[in-house]
Amino acid sequence: AQSVTQLDSHVSVSEGTPVLLRCNYSSSYSPSLFWYVQHPNKGLQLLLKYTSAATLVKGINGFEAEFKKSETSFHLTKPSAHMSDAAEYFCVVSLNTGTASKLTFGTGTRLQVTL
Amino acid sequence: DAGVIQSPRHEVTEMGQEVTLRCKPISGHDYLFWYRQTMMRGLELLIYFNNNVPIDDSGMPEDRFSAKMPNASFSTLKIQPSEPRDSAVYFCASTITGRGRGDEQFFGPGTRLTVL
Repeated sequence: AQSVTQLDSHVSVSEGTPVLLRCNYSSSYSPSLFWYVQHPNKGLQLLLKYTSAATLVKGINGFEAEFKKSETSFHLTKPSAHMSDAAEYFCVVSLNTGTASKLTFGTGTRLQVTL
Repeated sequence: DAGVIQSPRHEVTEMGQEVTLRCKPISGHDYLFWYRQTMMRGLELLIYFNNNVPIDDSGMPEDRFSAKMPNASFSTLKIQPSEPRDSAVYFCASTITGRGRGDEQFFGPGTRLTVL
């Protein structure tokens, strides 16, 4: 079985300050992990993914995440928040079925960015 | 590429009516997924297809829900009869095999369904 736990349902930061969105995973196998972002009334867009290569993964829009096996974590960070980062963020773990991957989504973290 | 296309974007219907949601995956993708997003349950996988064949429909909530993929460029999700608790945003996603583990799925913009 696999699952992800997003530790915060809502995070509020000021523009220009760092962002930290926390995610812990549980997987019987070496997981593939993703962060997706969903802007209001939009579909989901891939931010970044970890697939057992480098443990520090860089994504789009200045986001990055570090895979820490010992802590079973995959936290998402950004050095400086921008107003356009306000959105819902989903941590996702993938179960490889042998062909395609079935994704299990976390419950989401809503990021609010204030002036 | 236009990405994954879903229609309609919004659907409002009355309880008991049939609802059909449509999806066009990205050309060349051989996997198609249907998801449902609600406040209570988050994002749930309903069913997925490989080369137009349903592989896993264990997430389909009940017999009122059915999905088809008659060809590589079109899929439908049908609810008959619809109920208010079916109100949600329904997403379609597609991907292509051959990239190894952790394949990215490309999501459509979703269909917001409201059943009155």
